[in-house]
Amino acid sequence: QKEVEQDPGPLSVPEGAIVSLNCTYSNSAFQYFMWYRQYSRKGPELLMYTYSSGNKEDGRFTAQVDKSSKYISLFIRDSQPSDSATYLCAMSTPNTGNQFYFGTGTSLTVIP
Amino acid sequence: GAVVSQHPSRVICKSGTSVKIECRSLDFQATTMFWYRQFPKQSLMLMATSNEGSKATYEQGVEKDKFLINHASLTLSTLTVASAHPEDSSFYICSAILGLAGKETQYFGPGTRLLVL
Repeated sequence: QKEVEQDPGPLSVPEGAIVSLNCTYSNSAFQYFMWYRQYSRKGPELLMYTYSSGNKEDGRFTAQVDKSSKYISLFIRDSQPSDSATYLCAMSTPNTGNQFYFGTGTSLTVIP
Repeated sequence: GAVVSQHPSRVICKSGTSVKIECRSLDFQATTMFWYRQFPKQSLMLMATSNEGSKATYEQGVEKDKFLINHASLTLSTLTVASAHPEDSSFYICSAILGLAGKETQYFGPGTRLLVL
């Protein structure tokens, strides 16, 4: 079983829709959670990070962590064509010397 | 936010040529940088962890004599693809670590596209 599971998609939604992207994980030691956005032929860009269970909001983006279920989500409200990209989740533990675990990424297309 | 640059952004070379890719943290010091490889429509594949002042730690299956990593300063790590061959053609991305212990975040460079003819 992989440390981090993420549905690769592809996911296609109409402009204005609410998008839900999800990752599950198996290691209960993960405490730090990140979401990255990667446009085609570009490096990943950090979108959000959170250190605890609950919600964190930044504009149209909300990151949600449920440690009891080992499940994290990224919600995108009022999705725009410019949100079309691959979204990667990542997580780490505090005591493993900068070891990060990435999901495989979900490809999202927002149709105008 | 933290900025990581890579140079060059794109390189085309003949088979047998060695290619050097630079990764710089522009506004912070990074004792740890990572090098990734990414094939089209695939996820990031960690190649090695680069630590300033010490030897890089390579992932299983990555040839250390083929992919030479030097982290000579707190803001610069280099990846040299020695005697590149067409199968080395890929998208190479570096990242640098920033943050307090246990709350580190990776900031990625824009990537370098390597095409070996």
